[in-house]
Amino acid sequence: QSALTQPASVSGSPGQSITISCTATSSDVGSYNLVSWYQQHPGKAPKLIIYEDIKRPSGVSDRFSGSKSGNTASLTISGLQAEDEADYYCCSYAGTSTFTWVFGGGTKLTVL
Amino acid sequence: QVQLVQSGAEVKKPGASVKVSCKASGYTFTNYGISWVRQAPGQGLEWMGWVSAYNAKTNYAQKVQGRVTLTTDTSTSTAYMELRSLRSDDTAVYYCARTYCSGGSCYKPEFDYWGQGTLVTVSS
Repeated sequence: QSALTQPASVSGSPGQSITISCTATSSDVGSYNLVSWYQQHPGKAPKLIIYEDIKRPSGVSDRFSGSKSGNTASLTISGLQAEDEADYYCCSYAGTSTFTWVFGGGTKLTVL
Repeated sequence: QVQLVQSGAEVKKPGASVKVSCKASGYTFTNYGISWVRQAPGQGLEWMGWVSAYNAKTNYAQKVQGRVTLTTDTSTSTAYMELRSLRSDDTAVYYCARTYCSGGSCYKPEFDYWGQGTLVTVSS
């Protein structure tokens, strides 16, 4: 079963760009466009911000972008704003099947 | 507008069972599935499984397989998550989330609408 590894924390100043990585242990994960990203503010439900590696749902700021290279997916937030401070999670399939999924451990973004 | 409204908080003793509901509105219920995701206090998100509202097909995470049952009631557009043999480490906020399915199988790990969460506390 694949695991997804994220850095525990990242930080940046307002206006800067940051990137959060999500690395899969299974080599099969890179073969499918199945990574999604979620933003979660304290005490709130998660919010979908990226799906199918690079697509952005309607209403999500274009400051959020996704990419993937091999087994590593990345979320980039440009023009950091105070309201971007939150936890971010990637999600993909667990490797043995496209029907079984797993979340990364989450990354705490601090806007300095 | 799409809404998922979950049932209220629960307090259970170890060994008991809990059943959480998730009532959907604003879309054709049988065109999608419902996934369940939990979050222990101060911890990350954990995917538990999904159920197709089209044909009731399910798939579960290994960690909870055998203790969890996901069902749907298409007459009321409601999904249910039942967790048995509760332990203290099942204490968490449980979320339902709409999931894309096709042909009765859900194969895209994407959750575009979420319920408000239900806190389940397991304590003696």
